[in-house]
Amino acid sequence: GAVVSQHPSWVICKSGTSVKIECRSLDFQATTMFWYRQFPKQSLMLMATSNEGSKATYEQGVEKDKFLINHASLTLSTLTVTSAHPEDSSFYICSARDRGPDTQYFGPGTRLTVL
Amino acid sequence: GQQLNQSPQSMFIQEGEDVSMNCTSSSIFNTWLWYKQDPGEGPVLLIALYKAGELTSNGRLTAQFGITRKDSFLNISASIPSDVGIYFCARALGVGTQKLVFGQGTRLTINP
Repeated sequence: GAVVSQHPSWVICKSGTSVKIECRSLDFQATTMFWYRQFPKQSLMLMATSNEGSKATYEQGVEKDKFLINHASLTLSTLTVTSAHPEDSSFYICSARDRGPDTQYFGPGTRLTVL
Repeated sequence: GQQLNQSPQSMFIQEGEDVSMNCTSSSIFNTWLWYKQDPGEGPVLLIALYKAGELTSNGRLTAQFGITRKDSFLNISASIPSDVGIYFCARALGVGTQKLVFGQGTRLTINP
């Protein structure tokens, strides 16, 4: 099946710093990628839809100025958590849509810990 | 209308037992998806259902799309240790979109 990678797999940062997380589709082109957030022992919550070549669309309650998304190519989307705070500590998971089989594949996730 | 109610929240079973979990909603959907998430990993699609009444198997897993289009169940037969994980149901937020909403998850623990 199609493979989606994320980098880094985990990151620890100080409060107030910014962190960039990459999501790559390794063997297919993805015009659409999605970013989810998962707090401990909770479900995945959709944060935003990343569209190649255009602005991301954000779900209600997600601050677009805090969670910057860039989808500069058909295989890469990045999520930047700006001025991170401890409450932003979470597991961030991306998914990529393969239009061929019209199937969504998930990355392995990035665990962010903000001290 | 968008919330999915998944039950049970957790299960503790003996190896070899069968498992059943379900998902319900107050709204009608065209797709039900079942995912498994291992610790520290992203979810992996197990089964996708597209028609009311559809019954689909994937090895020891069987899932059905309820006739009312408001529910779905997932069964695992003869559980083995590698079945441990969290199982999520999910559905698209709307027609023509792949934005997904997930159930709360069922955490499966297996005693050898």
